[in-house]
Amino acid sequence: IAGITQAPTSQILAAGRRMTLRCTQDMRHNAMYWYRQDLGLGLRLIHYSNTAGTTGKGEVPDGYSVSRANTDDFPLTLASAVPSQTSVYFCASAEDGHQPQHFGDGTRLSIL
Amino acid sequence: GQNIDQPTEMTATEGAIVQINCTYQTSGFNGLFWYQQHAGEAPTFLSYNVLDGLEEKGRFSSFLSRSKGYSYLLLKELQMKDSASYLCAVGDSNYQLIWGAGTKLIIKP
Repeated sequence: IAGITQAPTSQILAAGRRMTLRCTQDMRHNAMYWYRQDLGLGLRLIHYSNTAGTTGKGEVPDGYSVSRANTDDFPLTLASAVPSQTSVYFCASAEDGHQPQHFGDGTRLSIL
Repeated sequence: GQNIDQPTEMTATEGAIVQINCTYQTSGFNGLFWYQQHAGEAPTFLSYNVLDGLEEKGRFSSFLSRSKGYSYLLLKELQMKDSASYLCAVGDSNYQLIWGAGTKLIIKP
């Protein structure tokens, strides 16, 4: 079944540790996005990629990095996790910036 | 600055009609999207408006007025499964989506 897969589903992490959230899509979408969703706030864009080989910073990029080595994969790395990064992280993809975004099931991350 | 406003919570009765409003101020406009998000799940796409007017899709309709910076999502013949959060998002000048905080819709029997 075509779609977008995130891993892990959930994770508890000690502060200061490095963590990579994985995202893979098989729809051959050009654009991919990472969001965080916190209670009472809208989805906030962390980083995005309009096409393989390019990335850009969103609204809240500090403390996060991404890479887009190929069309399918768009991992998000927390270099040194802090408690304020506790959130639900969603990866999304779209054919391009004009099209609806399709979301993965999310990763629930708790930083202690 | 960029801003999307929608009510935090609404309550409606099964079988009734409800209208969820969204107002926006963004740098540029490249379409307005509505998404549905059930608790603990991912957002799913409902509708897209880029021109003024009403778009109808089954029980759901979405309206846009670009001059007023205003949209609404209309849900008819409400069902219990429609209990969810409804997210309004606007494409800005860079084709990135700016998201509202969402409206939690509670359906009562």
